[in-house]
Amino acid sequence: DQQVKQNSPSLSVQEGRISILNCDYTNSMFDYFLWYKKYPAEGPTFLISISSIKDKNEDGRFTVFLNKSAKHLSLHIVPSQPGDSAVYFCAASVDAGGTSYGKLTFGQGTILTVHP
Amino acid sequence: DAGVIQSPRHEVTEMGQEVTLRCKPISGHDYLFWYRQTMMRGLELLIYFNNNVPIDDSGMPEDRFSAKMPNASFSTLKIQPSEPRDSAVYFCASTDRGGQRSTDTQYFGPGTRLTVL
Repeated sequence: DQQVKQNSPSLSVQEGRISILNCDYTNSMFDYFLWYKKYPAEGPTFLISISSIKDKNEDGRFTVFLNKSAKHLSLHIVPSQPGDSAVYFCAASVDAGGTSYGKLTFGQGTILTVHP
Repeated sequence: DAGVIQSPRHEVTEMGQEVTLRCKPISGHDYLFWYRQTMMRGLELLIYFNNNVPIDDSGMPEDRFSAKMPNASFSTLKIQPSEPRDSAVYFCASTDRGGQRSTDTQYFGPGTRLTVL
């Protein structure tokens, strides 16, 4: 069963416009969420994260929104740039406590294409 | 730092053959993860280690898959015998837990693209 789902396999956006990538989760125990970006022939790299005690986190052009009641998070990129074209993965984890590690559960990924 | 290093970058083999994927984590990181990426399921965690000890291997698909971490700077993922459905990109990642949630980010290697004919 897929606990983290990205239902849109792809998204196409014009340069300068907003990109909105969506992610849904089913496990109510998840309390930390992350977005990773992946370019072809490279490994995913961390982009931005949010704790469940917040509903918004912003870092430059990237903002992540969390709606706990809907079990939904989204990544907004404003303005979108051609260099943002990549695969975006959302991920979630459960706090394992102390120094234990809460493993990440990833979604399927969304391919973002930003056209000049 | 060179980051997480994986080898080989590409592997083409025939069904039934043994395949060994290799990973060198970032120096000082005490967690190491093996993932498999497919179109249908995205990134799936196969197994992870803490201080060279396997902690959770619940994602390993079947007994044909095995992973080892003989020391802090090296890990292998072995498939024996390989099957066409094992074709995927396999990633290794590492992190340092550090006791803070902000360090839950993982650092991924470039991946190994495996094709089993």
